[in-house]
Amino acid sequence: AQRVTQPEKLLSVFKGAPVELKCNYSYSGSPELFWYVQYSRQRLQLLLRHISRESIKGFTADLNKGETSFHLKKPFAQEEDSAMYYCALRRSPGTYKYIFGTGTRLKVLA
Amino acid sequence: DSGVTQTPKHLITATGQRVTLRCSPRSGDLSVYWYQQSLDQGLQFLIHYYNGEERAKGNILERFSAQQFPDLHSELNLSSLELGDSALYFCASSVATGTDKIYNEQFFGPGTRLTVL
Repeated sequence: AQRVTQPEKLLSVFKGAPVELKCNYSYSGSPELFWYVQYSRQRLQLLLRHISRESIKGFTADLNKGETSFHLKKPFAQEEDSAMYYCALRRSPGTYKYIFGTGTRLKVLA
Repeated sequence: DSGVTQTPKHLITATGQRVTLRCSPRSGDLSVYWYQQSLDQGLQFLIHYYNGEERAKGNILERFSAQQFPDLHSELNLSSLELGDSALYFCASSVATGTDKIYNEQFFGPGTRLTVL
């Protein structure tokens, strides 16, 4: 079965420390992976997708097919990074049956 | 607000009742998606409509139904409500058709919180 696992419900780091939000997926094909973010009192929004291979707000994520992981990383956390982060999988182009993980709340402490 | 809108924000009802959640997509978006987020669960895809037609179905219960109207707004109908239906219901929209191969970003609404007592 297709599944997205985010093992940490809550991750607390100090400002300036590196951040890694873990995401593992279970899917036999070649999925598209995404990270979504929801800041306090704001809507869920796309942060980045693995295909674009870009850095957004200092965050990067590399798709590791061998380990079936798509961890989100940032070298130096900022207080404004505090939010809920969701990893999501789309099985293939042309389908919009996204599978979301349960989310990780990131708290960046001053 | 030209973004996705959802009404109501909060809904409290009793078991066995029926409710309707409403979603208006962004201007120009023809696709609407519904998701359910229960406590400690990720968003679960329910259904996708494109220009009035159902395009994809996820884990949507038979007690739930949806439709998209000619003005492109969508309604999610939940009937014979159970305690377990208490959740956040999100709507999203995009310009995607459901058959296109390129990626089209989904834009989410603020959600409707349903509480079934």
